[in-house]
Amino acid sequence: AQSVTQPDIHITVSEGASLELRCNYSYGATPYLFWYVQSPGQGLQLLLKYFSGDTLVQGIKGFEAEFKRSQSSFNLRKPSVHWSDAAEYFCAAAMDSNYQLIWGAGTKLIIKP
Amino acid sequence: NAGVMQNPRHLVRRRGQEARLRCSPMKGHSHVYWYRQLPEEGLKFMVYLQKENIIDESGMPKERFSAEFPKEGPSILRIQQVVRGDSAAYFCASSPEQGALYGYTFGSGTRLTVV
Repeated sequence: AQSVTQPDIHITVSEGASLELRCNYSYGATPYLFWYVQSPGQGLQLLLKYFSGDTLVQGIKGFEAEFKRSQSSFNLRKPSVHWSDAAEYFCAAAMDSNYQLIWGAGTKLIIKP
Repeated sequence: NAGVMQNPRHLVRRRGQEARLRCSPMKGHSHVYWYRQLPEEGLKFMVYLQKENIIDESGMPKERFSAEFPKEGPSILRIQQVVRGDSAAYFCASSPEQGALYGYTFGSGTRLTVV
């Protein structure tokens, strides 16, 4: 079955530390892949997306993600987190449908001062 | 250029009442998508509409739920005879052409609470 999995429900990192949020998908081909961020009570903002080409994708707010076909993964990274990065992060994929996104359950990022 | 506008932001309904959620897409966007986010879960696709047409409603419950996107005015998601299980955040997104390839812009959502 087509699915997107974010194995970490919560992640806590210290301010200034590096961050990696995991995302795996289940699909027979390469989907379109996205990372969104949701601040409390807010809508979703697109951080970055991958369709094809260079497997390292740069996004907004200093985030990047790397697509690894062999691992069916699209992990999100940031070299140094800021307190304002505390939010919930969602990985999503468009698979058979080019408009219907399949979402992971989200990872809540907590920043320690 | 205003983003996607959803209203109301919060809506409380008693069981059995009707809920009407509105979504005005970004200017120039004629494709609208509705998603539902249950507590502690990711979003689930509900319906995709273009002006005056429902393109795909495969994610919408067959009963009590309906959606429209008229020629003039916002897209409306209507839930009749609400039940507690309808409590969720409902997000609308729009795009200039069909598909995530063109980038979705999401609204801030409507948080429906059924009491």
